[in-house]
Amino acid sequence: AQTVTQSQPEMSVQEAETVTLSCTYDTSESDYYLFWYKQPPSRQMILVIRQEAYKQQNATENRFSVNFQKAAKSFSLKISDSQLGDAAMYFCAYRPSTSGTYKYIFGTGTRLKVLA
Amino acid sequence: ETGVTQSPTHLIKTRGQQVTLRCSSQSGHNTVSWYQQALGQGPQFIFQYYREEENGRGNFPPRFSGLQFPNYSSELNVNALELDDSALYLCASSRPAGGETQYFGPGTRLLVL
Repeated sequence: AQTVTQSQPEMSVQEAETVTLSCTYDTSESDYYLFWYKQPPSRQMILVIRQEAYKQQNATENRFSVNFQKAAKSFSLKISDSQLGDAAMYFCAYRPSTSGTYKYIFGTGTRLKVLA
Repeated sequence: ETGVTQSPTHLIKTRGQQVTLRCSSQSGHNTVSWYQQALGQGPQFIFQYYREEENGRGNFPPRFSGLQFPNYSSELNVNALELDDSALYLCASSRPAGGETQYFGPGTRLLVL
């Protein structure tokens, strides 16, 4: 069975600094997608970044970038120049690309606190 | 482009009752997935609907059921509510093609007393 593990329940970062959130996953599939979602106190899950497993290049979206290590099954999120608005729960999610049901498997989340 | 909407935002029920939650998918999306998120946990997949048919189900009992309508909106029904059903229920819509991202609604917070 596929699983997603986020081993950091909580992280803190000083405003304008850089922080990295960790995620590991387990799958026997060779083709899949990985996502980072942000869930602020408003509860709505917001897509931060997406990575296709067949792409070797790490995805980047403005201040957000990932370090995708396929062999190690690791998918970390780096947030640069952290802002107060980045404070939220961050969920790593996995989705197989070949399954007929495109369900997501989520980790348990990391709460990010941004200190002024 | 209208995003995913859900109603109601909050709901309080008592054990044994039945509840219906509603979701309107994002414009252009014909696939809807439902997730249950218990407090302090990540979302767990309940089921998915594509073109009005159930297209996969997670480890939830049959008292969790759903519908999808011709306009691609969807309902989640839960019968015989139990205390452990208290959670945030998230709806997500997407296009069905491989690789498409799911976009989430704001959720319905259900409390079962």
